[in-house]
Amino acid sequence: GAGVSQSPRYKVAKRGQDVALRCDPISGHVSLFWYQQALGQGPEFLTYFQNEAQLDKSGLPSDRFFAERPEGSVSTLKIQRTQQEDSAVYLCASSLAGSNEQYFGPGTRLTVT
Amino acid sequence: LAKTTQPISMDSYEGQEVNITCSHNNIATNDYITWYQQFPSQGPRFIIQGYKTKVTNEVASLFIPADRKSSTLSLPRVSLSDTAVYYCLVLDLENKLTFGTGTQLKVEL
Repeated sequence: GAGVSQSPRYKVAKRGQDVALRCDPISGHVSLFWYQQALGQGPEFLTYFQNEAQLDKSGLPSDRFFAERPEGSVSTLKIQRTQQEDSAVYLCASSLAGSNEQYFGPGTRLTVT
Repeated sequence: LAKTTQPISMDSYEGQEVNITCSHNNIATNDYITWYQQFPSQGPRFIIQGYKTKVTNEVASLFIPADRKSSTLSLPRVSLSDTAVYYCLVLDLENKLTFGTGTQLKVEL
């Protein structure tokens, strides 16, 4: 079956531009997570949704980062006024309710120039 | 709080058993420990999870001592295709999902 998909796979933005990264989770997966992975490092938690409710956004690094999942399926991570330090791979993962097994998408590599 | 730490790298040969340990002394008391494998340009892939003692599935075993402040992923008879970065994932005392620092496993012939 289809896994988690993310688009675009690669995004180059000029500093100061806004970007929107999309995640399509596995159908029926209640939980959805966003992570940021800098080059050579482990993923860092950004935010978590259960259905459409954003239950934890403690990992979002600044108020320039915003995530939504309005209908409890597709999610969008938006970064406003991008900075060079935002350059990273942004990973999305989904899981069944109550499961610790997260299924990850391939990530979106964001490069801010 | 201390980071969730792992050895940076490990080298092995095909057919050997590999054990990778993760130190997570700030782990929450009520959640599972999960391990993931990541290949370049891909998202992490679930390997195994456990809460305490020992868990085994078709690809790995996971050993967790009683204090749960560490865990060891055991890969039996590794092959070249097991070359990847391995991460543990835990919920810490601040209720934050935290990946370990990652271990680059290199398997050679």
